[in-house]
Amino acid sequence: GESVGLHLPTLSVQEGDNSIINCAYSNSASDYFIWYKQESGKGPQFIIDIRSNMDKRQGQRVTVLLNKTVKHLSLQIAATQPGDSAVYFCAENKYQGGKLIFGQGTELSVKP
Amino acid sequence: DAMVIQNPRYQVTQFGKPVTLSCSQTLNHNVMYWYQQKSSQAPKLLFHYYDKDFNNEADTPDNFQSRRPNTSFCFLDIRSPGLGDAAMYLCATSSTRELLNSPLHFGNGTRLTVT
Repeated sequence: GESVGLHLPTLSVQEGDNSIINCAYSNSASDYFIWYKQESGKGPQFIIDIRSNMDKRQGQRVTVLLNKTVKHLSLQIAATQPGDSAVYFCAENKYQGGKLIFGQGTELSVKP
Repeated sequence: DAMVIQNPRYQVTQFGKPVTLSCSQTLNHNVMYWYQQKSSQAPKLLFHYYDKDFNNEADTPDNFQSRRPNTSFCFLDIRSPGLGDAAMYLCATSSTRELLNSPLHFGNGTRLTVT
């Protein structure tokens, strides 16, 4: 079946470095993508989203890149901080139906 | 100022003993979702309500049921919990099913243990 997956289950970075978390998706009909952050013991928290008619979107310290040619999504976190340590999920959604499909997740660890 | 509230945070039940998890929201959102998240896995959609319209996922076991008595509350009933049902259960809301402009808001989940 179609799914959203992640290349790496864990990522360890030094505080202050930039982080890049990747996601591959297989549903070419998906029009909208979201990154969520999930801290231990908490529900997923919305970080940033991007529509399929865009290839880049920036937020505060975060940037999402979308490459529809190779069905690839990435989340870049600038100047990673200890508070960024969490599991990051990408998710995809079609405009109709409202079903959010989550990828496997990448655990980000930030070393002080 | 919690907007999606799940109670309890931790629930322990016995094998085969019915259990109910609850979710309430202060956002007045039309759509409420229940997700199951097992350890180190992604959340998996069980079902959702669009207003009073119930939408079950094809692979959700019959053991899982849901009720939505009003806009603010939604319940997840597990009729006969098995050991494999131990997981974090996440409730989420959105204002519409068109998530483009109304991303999901999640509660902090209820962690269910089955003994």
